[in-house]
Amino acid sequence: AQRVTQPEKLLSVFKGAPVELKCNYSYSGSPELFWYVQYSRQRLQLLLRHISRESIKGFTADLNKGETSFHLKKPFAQEEDSAMYYCALYRPFGGKLIFGQGTELSVKP
Amino acid sequence: DARVTQTPRHKVTEMGQEVTMRCQPILGHNTVFWYRQTMMQGLELLAYFRNRAPLDDSGMPKDRFSAEMPDATLATLKIQPSEPRDSAVYFCASGLDPNPDYEQYFGPGTRLTVT
Repeated sequence: AQRVTQPEKLLSVFKGAPVELKCNYSYSGSPELFWYVQYSRQRLQLLLRHISRESIKGFTADLNKGETSFHLKKPFAQEEDSAMYYCALYRPFGGKLIFGQGTELSVKP
Repeated sequence: DARVTQTPRHKVTEMGQEVTMRCQPILGHNTVFWYRQTMMQGLELLAYFRNRAPLDDSGMPKDRFSAEMPDATLATLKIQPSEPRDSAVYFCASGLDPNPDYEQYFGPGTRLTVT
């Protein structure tokens, strides 16, 4: 079964500390994975996609097929990073995204 | 800057009343999705359409929820009768499929409160 798991509902760190939001997936094919972010009371928006291998707002995510993980990392958290983060797996033939439960990141001053 | 729009943004209603939420996808997109967001369950997919045809509505309580796309510019999600447990934020999203850079574009959501 295709599934995305984000084990932490809430992650709280201090400003300047490193951040890692965990995401594990279950998928038999070659996965396409994404991170979406939702700032307070705003719409969800794409943060980054693994195929682009990009860094957005200082965040990076590396696909590890051996561990079936796609963890989101940032070396120095900022207060404006506080938001809800969703990991998502793209399922072809219909374009469905399978979302994890989400992790709320709180960055304290 | 094309965006998905949703109406209403907020809705407060009494248990048993009918609720209709509307979504205008981005022009040219061929997939439309309805999600429900709650603290307990996170983001749940309720239904989705491709080229206006329903592909999957297995996430939706069939007895009270219905989703339709009367035309390419409008998607609706209806709850009849509504119950307090339906209180949540309902998001619509649209996208293009197939697309190797596939991305779903989300609307601002409808915050529903059923008393």
